[in-house]
Amino acid sequence: EAGVTQFPSHSVIEKGQTVTLRCDPISGHDNLYWYRRVMGKEIKFLLHFVKESKQDESGMPNNRFLAERTGGTYSTLKVQPAELEDSGVYFCASSQDRANTEAFFGQGTRLTVV
Amino acid sequence: AQSVTQLDSHVSVSEGTPVLLRCNYSSSYSPSLFWYVQHPNKGLQLLLKYTSAATLVKGINGFEAEFKKSETSFHLTKPSAHMSDAAEYFCVVSGITGRRALTFGSGTRLQVQP
Repeated sequence: EAGVTQFPSHSVIEKGQTVTLRCDPISGHDNLYWYRRVMGKEIKFLLHFVKESKQDESGMPNNRFLAERTGGTYSTLKVQPAELEDSGVYFCASSQDRANTEAFFGQGTRLTVV
Repeated sequence: AQSVTQLDSHVSVSEGTPVLLRCNYSSSYSPSLFWYVQHPNKGLQLLLKYTSAATLVKGINGFEAEFKKSETSFHLTKPSAHMSDAAEYFCVVSGITGRRALTFGSGTRLQVQP
């Protein structure tokens, strides 16, 4: 069974540019999460989809970040325009729709804004 | 609110000696607690989880953790460290009803010396 896959694995962009990160969850997982780890900090929650609906987006840092999950399958996270402080590792996770079930994580996308 | 404190940012042990990674949590609700591990260039992998069943939880690769409500702790242990255990370990809590976002500790980097 394929795990959670994220693309790209690395991205280096200039300040002011746009970047789109993609996450393919495990097939059949209705829950999809985005997390971010900025250098030297904790891994922080960004948002949670249930199918195509945003269940909780309380962790999104500002309106330069836009997440979508059209059709309830893969998700994209767009940063526009990117700022230096957006650099970090962005993780995606998915889980089944059961309480206390584990979340399966992708390898992450390392974003560097220069 | 909920929070997680990992008491050591780095732990170094010799191969074959016991491992202890400390974690304290704070949650207004009965929490679900997890330990995840991240090896270099890999995604986050679940080691074990506590969800209000047995207080001593056994995980993969010989790791276990004990939930102690009176001490609000969930320390991770392993009787004998192996070189392949070198990685970063995260204590994680999930507990607010209806909100499945995970709250991560800051991580403990485990070094295993030959």
